[in-house]
Amino acid sequence: TQLLEQSPQFLSIQEGENLTVYCNSSSVFSSLQWYRQEPGEGPVLLVTVVTGGEVKKLKRLTFQFGDARKDSSLHITAAQPGDTGLYLCAGELGGSNYKLTFGKGTLLTVNP
Amino acid sequence: GAVVSQHPSWVICKSGTSVKIECRSLDFQATTMFWYRQFPKQSLMLMATSNEGSKATYEQGVEKDKFLINHASLTLSTLTVTSAHPEDSSFYICSAPPEGRHGYTFGSGTRLTVV
Repeated sequence: TQLLEQSPQFLSIQEGENLTVYCNSSSVFSSLQWYRQEPGEGPVLLVTVVTGGEVKKLKRLTFQFGDARKDSSLHITAAQPGDTGLYLCAGELGGSNYKLTFGKGTLLTVNP
Repeated sequence: GAVVSQHPSWVICKSGTSVKIECRSLDFQATTMFWYRQFPKQSLMLMATSNEGSKATYEQGVEKDKFLINHASLTLSTLTVTSAHPEDSSFYICSAPPEGRHGYTFGSGTRLTVV
């Protein structure tokens, strides 16, 4: 059973289009993080959300944490080819073990 | 910021041989290190958690005798893939959890190809 359901798994869009990636769970997370990963490299942190209902913006990227801290979304406005990559959500359940649970990832391709 | 240096970045080995992957925390002490495995176009799957000075904790389904983890010091954790087979070919990534002011820090990954 996947603790964090991430969708869609694959997304191919044209430059200039908008898109949203979702991460959903039945568990409550103390924090949720979004990463972007290029082939052959480690994930790079984009944002961490910790408060229910929180919205964070990073240029054309908007991240939202659900009120109940069980779900999150990433919205990209006017996607560009440079946004191509694997986007991963990861949740921290809390406690002392700091173990991150990753979603399955969304492979985004933005075509020029 | 905190940096985890992972080596090698890629390795090709013959079936039956062993390969060691190192992760070093360069400017902080990591009492814990997470080891992940990632197949192409898929997410990270946690394999095990290493703890300095004690035995590693393995996730369900991960063979501890095949994936030997050692965390001998506060700055070095190693993963050794023993008797490697082609199905062990994958991308292996380490990560140190937040300590102090640092968030999760990921290594740059090791691409293992077993031929």
